[in-house]
Amino acid sequence: SYDLTQPPSVSVSPGQTARITCSGDALPKQHGYWYQQKPGQAPVLVISKDRERPSGIPERFSGSSSGATVTLTISAVQAEDEADYFCQSADSSGTYVVFGGGTKLTVL
Amino acid sequence: EVQLMESGGGLVKPGGSLRLSCAASGFSFRTYSMNWVRQAPGKGLEWVSSISSGGTYIHYADSVKGRFTISRDNARNSLFLHMRSLRVEDTAVYSCARGFDCDSDCYSVYGMDVWGQGTTVTVSS
Repeated sequence: SYDLTQPPSVSVSPGQTARITCSGDALPKQHGYWYQQKPGQAPVLVISKDRERPSGIPERFSGSSSGATVTLTISAVQAEDEADYFCQSADSSGTYVVFGGGTKLTVL
Repeated sequence: EVQLMESGGGLVKPGGSLRLSCAASGFSFRTYSMNWVRQAPGKGLEWVSSISSGGTYIHYADSVKGRFTISRDNARNSLFLHMRSLRVEDTAVYSCARGFDCDSDCYSVYGMDVWGQGTTVTVSS
């Protein structure tokens, strides 16, 4: 099976920049997507197609892609950004949906 | 308001069956692919199944293939997941999520921009 690899945790202080990476062999040819999930809530799509920000998502959320890695960057992190973040993509055939294991962002 | 609402979860014994439903409102359901995603307690997101807007293209995760069946009724703006031969490891919150907008019944893995709150399935003896 195909896996997307994320760090289990990232910690930053308020106002700093948080970067969460997601690595997978198919990422050079498949788009990456990012979700934010707070406890007891449904996931929210924060980045689409590697770098597009859906309507209503704050500008401090951005995405980038380089080779087999996609990165979610949160600038000037706020306490409310503390959450689990999941990347999502497709396998190399573009058929199956794959999620990364998730990264817990802690705002110190 | 764009909304998805799941129902049908509950407690079931190993080997049992359950049918989940997802009611869509506030958007043109018939043009969107749809997905089922589950989350076991304290764990991450796991994709379960996807279906194209017209129902032609259907895909399953290996963990549920042969046991789960996804379907949709575009006239009733509803998505379904029929689960059979349930296992303890199927215990999770099951959520439906909106996928790709394609009026011509195409399929593409895409981001999921609308999610329901989920329905809990517990498999236990």
